[in-house]
Amino acid sequence: DAGITQSPRHKVTETGTPVTLRCHQTENHRYMYWYRQDPGHGLRLIHYSYGVKDTDKGEVSDGYSVSRSKTEDFLLTLESATSSQTSVYFCAISLQGDRSGYTFGSGTRLTVV
Amino acid sequence: EDKVVQSPLSLVVHEGDTVTLNCSYEVTNFRSLLWYKQEKKAPTFLFMLTSSGIEKKSGRLSSILDKKELFSILNITATQTGDSAVYLCAVEASNNDMRFGAGTRLTVKP
Repeated sequence: DAGITQSPRHKVTETGTPVTLRCHQTENHRYMYWYRQDPGHGLRLIHYSYGVKDTDKGEVSDGYSVSRSKTEDFLLTLESATSSQTSVYFCAISLQGDRSGYTFGSGTRLTVV
Repeated sequence: EDKVVQSPLSLVVHEGDTVTLNCSYEVTNFRSLLWYKQEKKAPTFLFMLTSSGIEKKSGRLSSILDKKELFSILNITATQTGDSAVYLCAVEASNNDMRFGAGTRLTVKP
């Protein structure tokens, strides 16, 4: 989607290794979010950010950390990947924190073997 | 615990049919209910509903909210193959927490 890019698009990693996913935006939006999507669970919020260096936990934050050192980048790190973290990860941005104004990235498919 | 339940989980119809997707919720301090359409990749916004009984409409899609009975429906009339997607319902609480349902997978056959 225009204005928001996730990388990598696909990744396969081994159990126990650290993994970092990147979300990059060119919209200068204040709010950024990381979600994971799993069959039967819909989208679940992992962490979100409401400004540079301002982050908070979501519903399923265990095993994940985030960093936002500049407005345009929001990084999600799996400290020690486990098979239960195999999922599709979506980043979203919004200007005002208004969920109707969400723009989602195209997703990262992560497989932990 | 807050929860959002969508039904049916999947649905197969033929072009021209009308479909109704359901979303029920239990959320403390409800603020809004949102519908998204997800095709192959990112979800895209359809509607946001905050008041009971007021229908939101966009082309062949419409949605309404019942805050007393805690549910919403999404209607699609004269379905087309391009309507095939997963439809997600999400409910936002006043503390900014938003919960998504598992989605309804709609398949429209020619």
